[in-house]
Amino acid sequence: DQQVKQNSPSLSVQEGRISILNCDYTNSMFDYFLWYKKYPAEGPTFLISISSIKDKNEDGRFTVFLNKSAKHLSLHIVPSQPGDSAVYFCAATSQRLGSTLGRLYFGRGTQLTVWP
Amino acid sequence: DAGVTQSPTHLIKTRGQQVTLRCSPKSGHDTVSWYQQALGQGPQFIFQYYEEEERQRGNFPDRFSGHQFPNYSSELNVNALLLGDSALYLCASSPGTGKNIQYFGAGTRLSVL
Repeated sequence: DQQVKQNSPSLSVQEGRISILNCDYTNSMFDYFLWYKKYPAEGPTFLISISSIKDKNEDGRFTVFLNKSAKHLSLHIVPSQPGDSAVYFCAATSQRLGSTLGRLYFGRGTQLTVWP
Repeated sequence: DAGVTQSPTHLIKTRGQQVTLRCSPKSGHDTVSWYQQALGQGPQFIFQYYEEEERQRGNFPDRFSGHQFPNYSSELNVNALLLGDSALYLCASSPGTGKNIQYFGAGTRLSVL
């Protein structure tokens, strides 16, 4: 059962425009969410995260929005650059004790292509 | 400051064989987690080690086992390999169990023939 879903396997955006990557989750125990970026032949690289006590977190060109009632989060990249072309994974976890503590649940990823 | 390092980079085995993958965590990190990433999928949690003990385990059979050493490095062992075990195996480290941001190595690509 996929508890974290990324329903768009790919996204193509022109350089300079906004990229919006979406993610949905089903487990209400999740209270911390992360985005990772992965280039071929490399491991996932941490990009940005957000706690469930917030609805927005910003770091330079990257902003993550969280809508707890809809169990939805999104990553905005503005402006998009060709070097942003990679697979983006959404991940979720829980900071509370229990079987979800310390483990990341990942979506299947979205391949972002930024063209000049 | 070295990040998470994994060895070997690539490995080819045949069905029924056993394999050991190795991981050195990022400096200052004492918790190691292992993930399996099949083609076209996101990483799936295998287990997590902290203080040389398995603290959390995902939905993987007992053929998958691990170990953590006093220097925090870790091994993943897979026995009786199946074709379906072919995947990228990722190691991640964090400064303490329950710390949410995990830092990943480049992975070991295992092919089972």
